[in-house]
Amino acid sequence: EAGVAQSPRYKIIEKRQSVAFWCNPISGHATLYWYQQILGQGPKLLIQFQNNGVVDDSQLPKDRFSAERLKGVDSTLKIQPAKLEDSAVYLCASSLDIAGGPVETQYFGPGTRLLVL
Amino acid sequence: AQTVTQSQPEMSVQEAETVTLSCTYDTSENNYYLFWYKQPPSRQMILVIRQEAYKQQNATENRFSVNFQKAAKSFSLKISDSQLGDTAMYFCAFMKLEGLTFGEGTQLTVNP
Repeated sequence: EAGVAQSPRYKIIEKRQSVAFWCNPISGHATLYWYQQILGQGPKLLIQFQNNGVVDDSQLPKDRFSAERLKGVDSTLKIQPAKLEDSAVYLCASSLDIAGGPVETQYFGPGTRLLVL
Repeated sequence: AQTVTQSQPEMSVQEAETVTLSCTYDTSENNYYLFWYKQPPSRQMILVIRQEAYKQQNATENRFSVNFQKAAKSFSLKISDSQLGDTAMYFCAFMKLEGLTFGEGTQLTVNP
């Protein structure tokens, strides 16, 4: 079974530029998460999708970050414009989560490392 | 809001020995889930073990086991017969229904 795929793996941009990250979850997984992991810290949830609907985006800086999950499969996270403090690893995770069932384990992709200069 | 605290930024252990990583959390919830993830230098986050709060029995997965103390809000990870491949950053995480809340991590180094 293929794992969570993310691209690109690395990205270097200058501040005020735009950048987009792509995530393809494990086939059949209804729930998709984006996390931001700043160097030396634990990951922080940015947004959670259930199919193509947003469950939680309370920690997403909406003035510059946006995310979508069209058709309930792949997802894109965008930053526009980027700031120096956005330098981090952006992790995508997915879980099965059958309605009415228990919370399922999240499986993570390899992450995208962003450096903003 | 939930918080997760890992008070040991770094730990080291000799190969084949046992080590315990500490984790405490704060929540007002009664039903929730706890996880330990490891993140090696490749940065791929890998599940080590999970515990449902409604289960009194501590979870075990081969050389990995937890000591879950619900009243004390403590969730420690014990690694037995440590191997060089266990060297990684270990994160404790809490989950109710929304995404995971992670601790700051413990860097574990297994020495030959």
